[in-house]
Amino acid sequence: DSGVTQTPKHLITATGQRVTLRCSPRSGDLSVYWYQQSLDQGLQFLIQYYNGEERAKGNILERFSAQQFPDLHSELNLSSLELGDSALYFCASSAGLRSVGELFFGEGSRLTVL
Amino acid sequence: QQQVKQSPQSLIVQKGGISIINCAYENTAFDYFPWYQQFPGKGPALLIAIRPDVSEKKEGRFTISFNKSAKQFSLHIMDSQPGDSATYFCAAIRGSGNQFYFGTGTSLTVIP
Repeated sequence: DSGVTQTPKHLITATGQRVTLRCSPRSGDLSVYWYQQSLDQGLQFLIQYYNGEERAKGNILERFSAQQFPDLHSELNLSSLELGDSALYFCASSAGLRSVGELFFGEGSRLTVL
Repeated sequence: QQQVKQSPQSLIVQKGGISIINCAYENTAFDYFPWYQQFPGKGPALLIAIRPDVSEKKEGRFTISFNKSAKQFSLHIMDSQPGDSATYFCAAIRGSGNQFYFGTGTSLTVIP
């Protein structure tokens, strides 16, 4: 058990809809990362937050947004969903701003867009 | 653009054999190279990592070989076991440490 909790584990929705994925990092970790995993793209970095502030941005679509709350949990919002957004979304956390060391991953949220 | 290229996409090895997964990168600013192991239904977990100032790191049956001049690194799993069956991701990180660049993953199956 990594200590990172993600909800929901599975989500099925329709195109055009909006969903919110939630992540609780390991106790004490200040950095939260979001990754998208698809079969042909591997793990794609979306965005990083550190102590409530956005610190790095990867290949995150404009339809997607995220935030980290004062209690350090994070939410990833996906809107105007398309079939291609179907993927496994992982949250990971690390202790500091610079994560040279280890990322701790949750078990992921599997999103299916029909 | 894939910052880290990983091969093969899938690998089948007999129990007791050696599994080898290769990765290559272009950005010489990368200075930390971890490998993550992912079992079905689970998130990736750190397996072993290396910095470019060493050419090899060994932990049990797992070894990373690093070739700085060729900008390549590989994971060797000696005496592969069915319990090693998982997806393996290599990654590279710049000194700032904000972004892990992952390879596309290798699905390893070890058959008894």
